[in-house]
Amino acid sequence: KQEVTQIPAALSVPEGENLVLNCSFTDSAIYNLQWFRQDPGKGLTSLLLIQSSQREQTSGRLNASLDKSSGRSTLYIAASQPGDSATYLCAEEGGSNYKLTFGKGTLLTVNP
Amino acid sequence: DTGVSQDPRHKITKRGQNVTFRCDPISEHNRLYWYRQTLGQGPEFLTYFQNEAQLEKSRLLSDRFSAERPKGSFSTLEIQRTEQGDSAMYLCASSSLARGTEAFFGQGTRLTVV
Repeated sequence: KQEVTQIPAALSVPEGENLVLNCSFTDSAIYNLQWFRQDPGKGLTSLLLIQSSQREQTSGRLNASLDKSSGRSTLYIAASQPGDSATYLCAEEGGSNYKLTFGKGTLLTVNP
Repeated sequence: DTGVSQDPRHKITKRGQNVTFRCDPISEHNRLYWYRQTLGQGPEFLTYFQNEAQLEKSRLLSDRFSAERPKGSFSTLEIQRTEQGDSAMYLCASSSLARGTEAFFGQGTRLTVV
């Protein structure tokens, strides 16, 4: 059974701090891993997609890495801003099916 | 194309009533998914369509749930005889046919069963 775990469940940081969100997965045949952002009561916004053959992807202040051998992905946010406050979810697409398996998310609060 | 569209955004219904949600995916996307999300949890997979064919259904999708995607375009998710436990956010996502491509989600339909 594919399982995705995100640590920490919640994180509060002052504005300007660099931070790392962690995601671990059990599927050794992962096809890709996707990071999403979710604002309260809203849908999911895709942030970054990392293919299984890639090590990392970057978009602006965001950098996501993937280590298949250890079953881990990290999302690095540089120079955090209050507008970054949201729940961040990681999801993996398994090698044997097409669905995404999600973690429970990390609730990020960036304080001004 | 403005992305994945879901309707309605919010639905309040009495227990025992039937409800139907609609999802319009990104027009060129062959794959369409339905997920359910409860408070404090990540989305859970319900079902998956490739064009008009429903290829996978989760055990979460009881007999009261049915999903269709006629002509491989929009999709509907119907819940019959709603129960309070059905209260959740129902999310639709779409992606292109190729493996490993980005999935795009709609804004969701928030269902409250009273």
